[in-house]
Amino acid sequence: GQQVQQSPASLVLQEGENAELQCNFSSTATRLQWFYQHPGGRLVSLFYNPSGTKHTGRLTSTTVTNERRSSLHISSSQTTDSGTYFCALNVGDNSKLIWGLGTSLVVNP
Amino acid sequence: EAAVTQSPRSKVAVTGGKVTLSCHQTNNHDYMYWYRQDTGHGLRLIHYSYVADSTEKGDIPDGYKASRPSQENFSLILELASLSQTAVYFCATPGTGKEVFFGKGTRLTVV
Repeated sequence: GQQVQQSPASLVLQEGENAELQCNFSSTATRLQWFYQHPGGRLVSLFYNPSGTKHTGRLTSTTVTNERRSSLHISSSQTTDSGTYFCALNVGDNSKLIWGLGTSLVVNP
Repeated sequence: EAAVTQSPRSKVAVTGGKVTLSCHQTNNHDYMYWYRQDTGHGLRLIHYSYVADSTEKGDIPDGYKASRPSQENFSLILELASLSQTAVYFCATPGTGKEVFFGKGTRLTVV
């Protein structure tokens, strides 16, 4: 079946450092999303990015469909970026999501 | 952007008791989903629905029932709650751009 693998599993940064989170998936037919989960549990959608590059603020997502990978770049990290970042793959027409296990990010002051 | 509201936000239930988690969406989308998340893990799909009065099994449906009485409402029912069902539960629905939007989650503790 479809699989989504994320790396690294965890990451610790000093404030101001950049981060690169990776997501690899098993299908070329992708509708890939990145989510951020607050330490308190709330999930928010960061990007819907089936291909190409998208930016929002300090975040950049790049998906290379034929290489079955996507990355999330966080520039000039802040302590408020701490949390868990998930990538998830839409499958079929029902928007059912297959989830990676997440990257836990800690940004220290 | 879809508004997905879950209730309650947290609940403590006794083993063997009945628990109902509710979800309401204002995006008028056909699809709604229930996921559970265990500490340190990603989300797993329990049940979903693509039309009112119909539900479908997800990846881990055992021990759960679902109900979709209307387009806007989707409930997750634990008839006999067990300790292993302690988790955070998320309801979700797609937006117009194929993104999926989540409620804030319900933290369920079964004791």
